[in-house]
Amino acid sequence: GQNIDQPTEMTATEGAIVQINCTYQTSGFNGLFWYQQHAGEAPTFLSYNVLDGLEEKGRFSSFLSRSKGYSYLLLKELQMKDSASYLCAVRDSNYQLIWGAGTKLIIKP
Amino acid sequence: ETGVTQTPRHLVMGMTNKKSLKCEQHLGHNAMYWYKQSAKKPLELMFVYSLEERVENNSVPSRFSPECPNSSHLFLHLHTLQPEDSALYLCASSQGQGESYEQYFGPGTRLTVT
Repeated sequence: GQNIDQPTEMTATEGAIVQINCTYQTSGFNGLFWYQQHAGEAPTFLSYNVLDGLEEKGRFSSFLSRSKGYSYLLLKELQMKDSASYLCAVRDSNYQLIWGAGTKLIIKP
Repeated sequence: ETGVTQTPRHLVMGMTNKKSLKCEQHLGHNAMYWYKQSAKKPLELMFVYSLEERVENNSVPSRFSPECPNSSHLFLHLHTLQPEDSALYLCASSQGQGESYEQYFGPGTRLTVT
C-alpha cells in the first residue's frame, strides 16, 4: 500500500529553527509537495520538489532524497504565525496526490 | 471573488436530509477535486474532474454524488448520510493534473451529520 509518515506534533520556540520530516512509500514518484494549513483554514502551497536536493524559499526550505523516500521542511527564524499544520503529499505514478496526516507545529514564545 | 470559494461554510444535517455543497474557482483551472478531511487523518481524495469529466472516483459511497457543470463549478450532492461522514469537505483546483501543478484549496465546508 501507499504510505506517508510525518510526526503528529512538534513544538519549537519563536526565533528558532525546526525540521519536519516526511517519509513515503508510494507506487511511483512524480514530485513531493508541502502545504501549510492554519486551524480552520484551507491548505496553502509551500513548496514542490521533484529532484534531489534543497529548494529554498525565504525562511522555508524543502529537501528531497528520492533514493531514501525522504523529505524535510525546514523553517527558520520561527514566528508565532508559523503555528499551523504542515502537510506532506506525494504525487504517485497515476499523478494522484497521496497525503500524510500532517504535523501540528506549536510555536512557544 | 478570487481563488476558490465554497458554500456553505458550515452545515448541519440529519441523516434523511438532502443537501448540496458548492465550489467555485476563479483561477481558470482545468481540474477540480473534492477531498474529505477528518481529524488527525490524511486528506482523502473523493472525486477528480478534468475538463468537466470525472477521471477518479476513489470508491466513494453512492450517498455522495458529484456534479461538474463547467470548469469553474463543482457540486457535491449529499443524501442519506451517516454520522461518520461528519468532516471538513475541501474543494481544490489546479491548472492541470500532471507534474508540478499545485492545488489551490477552498476554505472548506464543515459538515455535521446528526
